[in-house]
Amino acid sequence: SQKIEQNSEALNIQEGKTATLTCNYTNYSPAYLQWYRQDPGRGPVFLLLIRENEKEKRKERLKVTFDTTLKQSLFHITASQPADSATYLCALGVGTGANNLFFGTGTRLTVIP
Amino acid sequence: DVKVTQSSRYLVKRTGEKVFLECVQDMDHENMFWYRQDPGLGLRLIYFSYDVKMKEKGDIPEGYSVSREKKERFSLILESASTNQTSMYLCATLLGTQETQYFGPGTRLLVL
Repeated sequence: SQKIEQNSEALNIQEGKTATLTCNYTNYSPAYLQWYRQDPGRGPVFLLLIRENEKEKRKERLKVTFDTTLKQSLFHITASQPADSATYLCALGVGTGANNLFFGTGTRLTVIP
Repeated sequence: DVKVTQSSRYLVKRTGEKVFLECVQDMDHENMFWYRQDPGLGLRLIYFSYDVKMKEKGDIPEGYSVSREKKERFSLILESASTNQTSMYLCATLLGTQETQYFGPGTRLLVL
């Protein structure tokens, strides 16, 4: 069966450290992978997209890697801040058409001051 | 900036009631989606629409219907609300040539 697993339901880290979140998938062949941030009681907000032929993508303090052999994406937040506390969702883009995005269950990150 | 609004942030309904959730977008996106989000289950697609009056079932359409009479508006209807439909409902839009979905703020529905 197809699965998208974000390995930790919750992750606590100290301010200033690098947070690393994991997204693993099975039985999908994604053309791209996205990461979204969701604050409590709000809708997800797009952060980054990485395509299957890209190894790494950066945006300010964010870095995403994509390993199609391991079927895994890592999402890093460097120099983490309490304002980074949120739930982070990965989403796989599979095939073409509008209905092609499949979401993981998310990891709730708490950055402790 | 894309703006997606949902008619209510919180809603309390009784079992058996007909419930309407509305989503409105201001960016002329062709595609609109309704998801529900539950702890441990993530986002699950209920229905989506790729054009006016067009709709497709998602993964969990049972107990729901949708309506898209105008491009900017996509409604989710719970024909007869049940307690297992208590959830967070999220609307999203997608421009046909893009890959990023834009979400509304969500409606937290409680069915008693």
